[in-house]
Amino acid sequence: AQTVTQSQPEMSVQEAETVTLSCTYDTSESDYYLFWYKQPPSRQMILVIRQEAYKQQNATENRFSVNFQKAAKSFSLKISDSQLGDAAMYFCAYRRYNAGNNRKLIWGLGTSLAVNP
Amino acid sequence: NAGVTQTPKFQVLKTGQSMTLQCAQDMNHEYMSWYRQDPGMGLRLIHYSVGAGITDQGEVPNGYNVSRSTTEDFPLRLLSAAPSQTSVYFCASTSNPGNGYTFGSGTRLTVV
Repeated sequence: AQTVTQSQPEMSVQEAETVTLSCTYDTSESDYYLFWYKQPPSRQMILVIRQEAYKQQNATENRFSVNFQKAAKSFSLKISDSQLGDAAMYFCAYRRYNAGNNRKLIWGLGTSLAVNP
Repeated sequence: NAGVTQTPKFQVLKTGQSMTLQCAQDMNHEYMSWYRQDPGMGLRLIHYSVGAGITDQGEVPNGYNVSRSTTEDFPLRLLSAAPSQTSVYFCASTSNPGNGYTFGSGTRLTVV
């Protein structure tokens, strides 16, 4: 069974600095999707970035980028120029590429990120 | 505004009461899901749907029912509320699960 592990329950970063959140996963599949979601205090889950496993290039969305290491089964999120609004819980998630009837996302337990002014 | 709308945002129930959590999306998404979020346990899938008239169970379906009579709506029914169902509930939808889901703002449910 697939699992997703976020080893850092809490992290903090100074405003304008860079922080990296870790995510590892376990799967025997070769094709899959990986996601990072942000959950601010408002509670709503917001998709930050996604990566398709068959793509070598790391995904980037403005200040957010990933370091996808397929062989190591690692999917870390880098936030550059951190802003106060980045303070949130961040969740890593996995989904099989051809899920068939197994359509669920596998979620990590989250990393709480604090941004210090 | 386009998106996923959940109502109510907060609810307190007594043990044994029933209620329906509403979820509606206006993006013509085929795929819809219900999750519950509990501290230390992450998000767990309750039920999901891949289109109108098609639903299936997730990992924690007991005590909940769903139906999908239209593409837009995917209500979640608690049959007989129990304290163990105290949680935050999220509805999510997508046209392509590989692209990620759009989530509603959640319902915080307390069962006393």
